[in-house]
Amino acid sequence: DAKTTQPPSMDCAEGRAANLPCNHSTISGNEYVYWYRQIHSQGPQYIIHGLKNNETNEMASLIITEDRKSSTLILPHATLRDTAVYYCIVYAGGGNKLTFGTGTQLKVEL
Amino acid sequence: GAVVSQHPSRVICKSGTSVKIECRSLDFQATTMFWYRQFPKQSLMLMATSNEGSKATYEQGVEKDKFLINHASLTLSTLTVTSAHPEDSSFYICSATVAGGELFFGEGSRLTVL
Repeated sequence: DAKTTQPPSMDCAEGRAANLPCNHSTISGNEYVYWYRQIHSQGPQYIIHGLKNNETNEMASLIITEDRKSSTLILPHATLRDTAVYYCIVYAGGGNKLTFGTGTQLKVEL
Repeated sequence: GAVVSQHPSRVICKSGTSVKIECRSLDFQATTMFWYRQFPKQSLMLMATSNEGSKATYEQGVEKDKFLINHASLTLSTLTVTSAHPEDSSFYICSATVAGGELFFGEGSRLTVL
């Protein structure tokens, strides 16, 4: 019953921007969009989150469409160390359950 | 930033024994903690949602008598795998959050049952 859909895999050349899409067409008004990534055999690492407005931090930018039904995570200058599985999650907090979709395997190549 | 710590990071046990995994929020009080299980090349599967001071809510198909979850304080939750069998071998991950706040994940605990 994952609430998000993402492409299973993407490739990106090192130094180029990586744009990872996510569809969350059933998102509720109080649910935030979170992005995490997971490198093999480690816990998920927080990247960024947002509610309605676009967000930017030192790691990435998050673009949320006006209707909030989809979003895009942008890694502006991908490096080999950005190779990981990226998960897009919608979550309202407050003790509601948090489920993961299948994520996108991003492979950054030379 | 906030840190969630899991212990042990790796554990090997014999079939039939019980194993306890701890999840601690180190610099914040977590109102809710989640436990996940992850098999190779698969996504994280939610096992249960645990709110401090109340019983955990288990996902369908997760045996609550086999996977005992205790959330006795705002900084500690434990997952005990009772009478472990080889099919319980997996990567177990916890997550912690405060109301309206960010979600933080532990480093994961790899259980191998021989």
